[in-house]
Amino acid sequence: AQSVTQLDSQVPVFEEAPVELRCNYSSSVSVYLFWYVQYPNQGLQLLLKYLSGSTLVESINGFEAEFNKSQTSFHLRKPSVHISDTAEYFCAVRPSGGSNYKLTFGKGTLLTVNP
Amino acid sequence: DVKVTQSSRYLVKRTGEKVFLECVQDMDHENMFWYRQDPGLGLRLIYFSYDVKMKEKGDIPEGYSVSREKKERFSLILESASTNQTSMYLCASSFSWNRGYGYTFGSGTRLTVV
Repeated sequence: AQSVTQLDSQVPVFEEAPVELRCNYSSSVSVYLFWYVQYPNQGLQLLLKYLSGSTLVESINGFEAEFNKSQTSFHLRKPSVHISDTAEYFCAVRPSGGSNYKLTFGKGTLLTVNP
Repeated sequence: DVKVTQSSRYLVKRTGEKVFLECVQDMDHENMFWYRQDPGLGLRLIYFSYDVKMKEKGDIPEGYSVSREKKERFSLILESASTNQTSMYLCASSFSWNRGYGYTFGSGTRLTVV
């Protein structure tokens, strides 16, 4: 079985400040890793994912996440946030093989960017 | 783009009513899922389906049932709505064979039971 822990339920920051949203996971098998974003009153959208290869993955809107296998982490970072980045962010894992194909989600981190 | 469409964005129903939430996807995904989302509790899986007419219980199936008669449509049914079922309901779909794809979500249905 897999589990995902998002260490902060809420992260308030000021505009143009850097931010890191932390995600740790537990799994006995290899996994793929995902970050989803949910804007107010909307569904979840895929932000970025790690499948294999370079451990640093980037999104089109300036977020990046680094897969650290030894620390079983997949933290999300942005060097300078905008008001429009205010949203809830979910980390998720999915086994890369085997009979369990479901995503396991963390409980989410609410990022609030203040002017 | 893959689209997952949930029939209603907002819904208000009375206690005891039978409620149908509909979800349609247009990318021939095998797997479909229903989640509910509540503040502080994250996403909780209610039911999922890995093929037509197949269903499996998720973590919180009590008070819900589902129907998948066609591959593209997955319905969530609240047999007798109660106030504790007031929540945001999210439908998602995915391929079963391409695990790197992740899920595609609908926009959600915010259900209020009064």
